[in-house]
Amino acid sequence: QSVLTQPPSASETPGQRVTISCSGSISNIGSFDVHWYQQFPGTAPKLLVHRDSQRLSGVPDRFSGSKSGTSASLVISGLRSEDEADYYCAAWDGSLRGLSFGGGTKLTVL
Amino acid sequence: EVQLVESGGGLVQPGGSLRLSCVASGFTFSDYQMDWVRQAPGKGLEWVGRSRGKTKSYTTEYVASVKGRFTISRDHSKNSLYLEMNSLKTEDTAVYYCTRDNWGSDYWGQGAWVTVSS
Repeated sequence: QSVLTQPPSASETPGQRVTISCSGSISNIGSFDVHWYQQFPGTAPKLLVHRDSQRLSGVPDRFSGSKSGTSASLVISGLRSEDEADYYCAAWDGSLRGLSFGGGTKLTVL
Repeated sequence: EVQLVESGGGLVQPGGSLRLSCVASGFTFSDYQMDWVRQAPGKGLEWVGRSRGKTKSYTTEYVASVKGRFTISRDHSKNSLYLEMNSLKTEDTAVYYCTRDNWGSDYWGQGAWVTVSS
C-alpha cells in the first residue's frame, strides 16, 4: 500500500490531454516537493518534472506538473504514442523520514 | 557526462548477504545526496535509503522494511556508493538502482538485479 495514491491506469487517444493524479497528506505532498518520473519497460525511470512544476531540460512542454494542498497532478497534452509508459509521483515524507513513491500509473495511448 | 554504474547483483539464498556498488562519475560525488531505489518484478518503485551529501555529514536514512539489515556507505576515494544487504529475504528480490538526488533523482544507474531464492 503506497503512501501516495495514483490511479493504476489511464488511457486517452493521440492528441488529447490526460491528467494523472497523486494524492498524499500533509506530511508528504503538503510539506515537500513532488517529483514525477516516466518509465518504459525494462529501463530506468527518468525524471520529468521536479519541485512540483519544473520540467527538466529537454522535457517537452506537453508535460506539466502542479500541486494544490496535499494533491499533485501531471498533465500530458497533445498525447503521442511514445508517451505510453508508467508514471510515478514521489515526495519526501516527514513523518516516515523517507521518500515515498506513488504506486504508478500505466498510461495507454489508444 | 554524469554516469552511475552499479555492480554486485546476483542470486543469494534467504538469510544471506550481498553488497552492491555504484561508481559515480561526471560530478562532485561528495556534494550530492545519493539514493538506492528498488523495483520488484512487475511492481512499482520503492525507495530503499539515502546517503546525504557533505553539507549534511553524509547522514543516512532507510525505509522501515530494511532498517537494521541494509547499510549505505560511501568511499570518496573511489567515488563509490555501496549498499550492504544482510539477512536477505525473498521479498528483497528486485532490481536495485543507484540514483543521484538533485531535487529529485535526476540520474539513475542501469540497475543491478538481486534475486533472493533457495
